Amino acid sequence: EDQVTQSPEALRLQEGESSSLNCSYTVSGLRGLFWYRQDPGKGPEFLFTLYSAGEEKEKERLKATLTKKESFLHITAPKPEDSATYLCAYSGGYQKVTFGTGTKLQVIP
Amino acid sequence: DVKVTQSSRYLVKRTGEKVFLECVQDMDHENMFWYRQDPGLGLRLIYFSYDVKMKEKGDIPEGYSVSREKKERFSLILESASTNQTSMYLCASRPIGQSSYGYTFGSGTRLTVV
Repeated sequence: EDQVTQSPEALRLQEGESSSLNCSYTVSGLRGLFWYRQDPGKGPEFLFTLYSAGEEKEKERLKATLTKKESFLHITAPKPEDSATYLCAYSGGYQKVTFGTGTKLQVIP
Repeated sequence: DVKVTQSSRYLVKRTGEKVFLECVQDMDHENMFWYRQDPGLGLRLIYFSYDVKMKEKGDIPEGYSVSREKKERFSLILESASTNQTSMYLCASRPIGQSSYGYTFGSGTRLTVV
């Protein structure tokens, strides 16, 4: 069965303290690995899609990377406004997107 | 600004009621989706539609049905609401032929069934 696992479940950082979130997956055919940000009481907001091992994408303080079995979301010098839940998901085929349960990030001033 | 709009942010319904959740998108996307989100379980796909009047079951369709009479509108129907359907419901859309394209989500409807 295809699965995606995110760790840690929750992460508390001081402002400026860089860290990484992990998304590991077992899937028979990867067509895309997605990262989303979700603020409380809102729907997820799309951040990145990664397609192949070695690929990297960046947006402001966020950088997503992909290997054959996992993806990392690196957060450099985070600010309080980066506090949110970060979801990863993968597409294994036709309309089949599987989401992880997320990492709740809190950045303290 | 393009968006997916869900008609209600919060709903409280009684057990046994028929419940309609409405979703409208203004991006001319062919594909539309309904997910529910529960703590510890993540987002789970209920139904999706790839064209007007077309629908396919997702992973957890039991107790739900959908309607898509117009391209921009996708409705989720709880035929007889039960307490285990208390959840956050999220509608999303995506252009056709873009299976690696990120979804655009609505803000969600938090449904409580009492």
